[in-house]
Amino acid sequence: QKEVEQDPGPLSVPEGAIVSLNCTYSNSAFQYFMWYRQYSRKGPELLMYTYSSGNKEDGRFTAQVDKSSKYISLFIRDSQPSDSATYLCAMSEGRGKLIFGQGTELSVKP
Amino acid sequence: DGGITQSPKYLFRKEGQNVTLSCEQNLNHDAMYWYRQDPGQGLRLIYYSQIVNDFQKGDIAEGYSVSREKKESFPLTVTSAQKNPTAFYLCASSTVMEGLGYTFGSGTRLTVV
Repeated sequence: QKEVEQDPGPLSVPEGAIVSLNCTYSNSAFQYFMWYRQYSRKGPELLMYTYSSGNKEDGRFTAQVDKSSKYISLFIRDSQPSDSATYLCAMSEGRGKLIFGQGTELSVKP
Repeated sequence: DGGITQSPKYLFRKEGQNVTLSCEQNLNHDAMYWYRQDPGQGLRLIYYSQIVNDFQKGDIAEGYSVSREKKESFPLTVTSAQKNPTAFYLCASSTVMEGLGYTFGSGTRLTVV
């Protein structure tokens, strides 16, 4: 079993939809949780960063961490075609390598 | 501007050749990483280095080699022993506290011809 599991999709939604992207993990020592966005043929860029449990909001994006369930989510409200990309979750204990999910390919159709 | 630069953007390799991918950062980060990305397989760690003159194998190191002679530079050599080298290669860097996230380069697309 992988340390971090992420549904690879692809996920296709109409413009304006609410998108939910999820990852589960098995290592209870993870404390730092991140979401990266990767456009085609580009390097990933850090989108959201959360420490421990709770919610964090940034514009149309909300990151949620539920450590009791070992489950993290990224919500995108009012999705736009420019949100079409691959989204990777990543997590770390703090002093260790980041562990990445497989990435979910999202397509937002006009 | 601080950042991480990978070159070249596209690289073509003939069978049996070694090729070297460049990665340079001016973020004063101690740690640097090389990942391989194939469709549907996410990021797979090849090598990483947390300090100059020291590096460790990742999950798929066979057929690859690295050096870390300077803090700013972490070149990756894809050797002829790597049987399926066609992929998108990503370099990243971070502070020692990896929990603060990585900064990625824009990637090198390597194709065997």
